[in-house]
Amino acid sequence: DAKTTQPPSMDCAEGRAANLPCNHSTISGNEYVYWYRQIHSQGPQYIIHGLKNNETNEMASLIITEDRKSSTLILPHATLRDTAVYYCIVRVRRAGTALIFGKGTTLSVSS
Amino acid sequence: GAVVSQHPSRVICKSGTSVKIECRSLDFQATTMFWYRQFPKQSLMLMATSNEGSKATYEQGVEKDKFLINHASLTLSTLTVTSAHPEDSSFYICSARDQGQENTGELFFGEGSRLTVL
Repeated sequence: DAKTTQPPSMDCAEGRAANLPCNHSTISGNEYVYWYRQIHSQGPQYIIHGLKNNETNEMASLIITEDRKSSTLILPHATLRDTAVYYCIVRVRRAGTALIFGKGTTLSVSS
Repeated sequence: GAVVSQHPSRVICKSGTSVKIECRSLDFQATTMFWYRQFPKQSLMLMATSNEGSKATYEQGVEKDKFLINHASLTLSTLTVTSAHPEDSSFYICSARDQGQENTGELFFGEGSRLTVL
């Protein structure tokens, strides 16, 4: 699976958009970009995933650059409950394979 | 989304005892489940892949005789930490993929089980 690079930490004011970047310059054509988050002392939670088109769901938007070497997770209106570690993971969509977690970005949302 | 439940959520035990952690998929079937371990302020580390009806596959450096994994049904996998020692104290998390939606690649995670060995 391709390696990802994320900033270790970011701050965001409550109500503002949180934009979390992820670099994955070695991504291959059949690898997807997945985002998960982990709130303190809980299991990770799936947020969104995409291949090359931008994606949006009730939680967030995922913007993938045209060359697919980087992406941005957008939380449009961050709340205090969005404070968590966010993991960007690149992998093929293959049954029976685990997710390999990097260090992620610790997002702190403050009022 | 699909629900994965772990039990117990917290357990404290004495050194030398064995502890069993259960992971259940509540509303879907999972031929494969995964066990992770997470130490404070660190990321999740994959320990093993649990396959229904067959032996688990362990990651390098994980002792299979110490961390016994059983996946007896499509909805239950168990992790037994045998002869636990203080260095085994950690947050153990399981995950599973819905067998009926394997093409999504999405994994569902349990709430985690915090083990403290005294």
